[in-house]
Amino acid sequence: NAGVTQTPKFRVLKTGQSMTLLCAQDMNHEYMYWYRQDPGMGLRLIHYSVGEGTTAKGEVPDGYNVSRLKKQNFLLGLESAAPSQTSVYFCASSYGGTGANVLTFGAGSRLTVL
Amino acid sequence: GDSVTQMEGPVTLSEEAFLTINCTYTATGYPSLFWYVQYPGEGLQLLLKATKADDKGSNKGFEATYRKETTSFHLEKGSVQVSDSAVYFCALSERNGNNRKLIWGLGTSLAVNP
Repeated sequence: NAGVTQTPKFRVLKTGQSMTLLCAQDMNHEYMYWYRQDPGMGLRLIHYSVGEGTTAKGEVPDGYNVSRLKKQNFLLGLESAAPSQTSVYFCASSYGGTGANVLTFGAGSRLTVL
Repeated sequence: GDSVTQMEGPVTLSEEAFLTINCTYTATGYPSLFWYVQYPGEGLQLLLKATKADDKGSNKGFEATYRKETTSFHLEKGSVQVSDSAVYFCALSERNGNNRKLIWGLGTSLAVNP
């Protein structure tokens, strides 16, 4: 049982380049989330999804887009990367309802924008 | 809005010492409370949770009691080990329309020396 898998684990981009982070879960979870983690700022929610075909904005959505075409996958896109998007990105998933706040996290994707 | 405040780290202890990491919260209503742990190079994972006042969550020797009168959820362990070195995050669930979302503390880094 793989849980939540994120690819790639590391990536270096130049300012203005685009990329997509892929998150896949094999637990049949309804909810999926993208967070970024920065020193001194804890975890901040970028976007989330409460089911296949749905997405919603979190605290810091600007500069990011997401898609949830399949229940098991949640993609995070950066259309034009900026140095301020240098961060560690975590995907997470959870059951809906009362279990919605027990999250299973991926191992993280470290992105550096030069 | 709701918020979570954790004691600042880093916390450095010797093996077998007693650990307390303070967490206080402000919330309307009756949130559930959580402790998540992040080991080096990994994603976060649920350590324990409590869903109502006076509940005690416990796991791996860690405990935390949901204290509504003091709005606190302090994490304790009687005898820490080197393997407990990690970052600990306190979180609460907040109702957001029909969904609940997590409000995170900034994390407390713990280093345990042999």
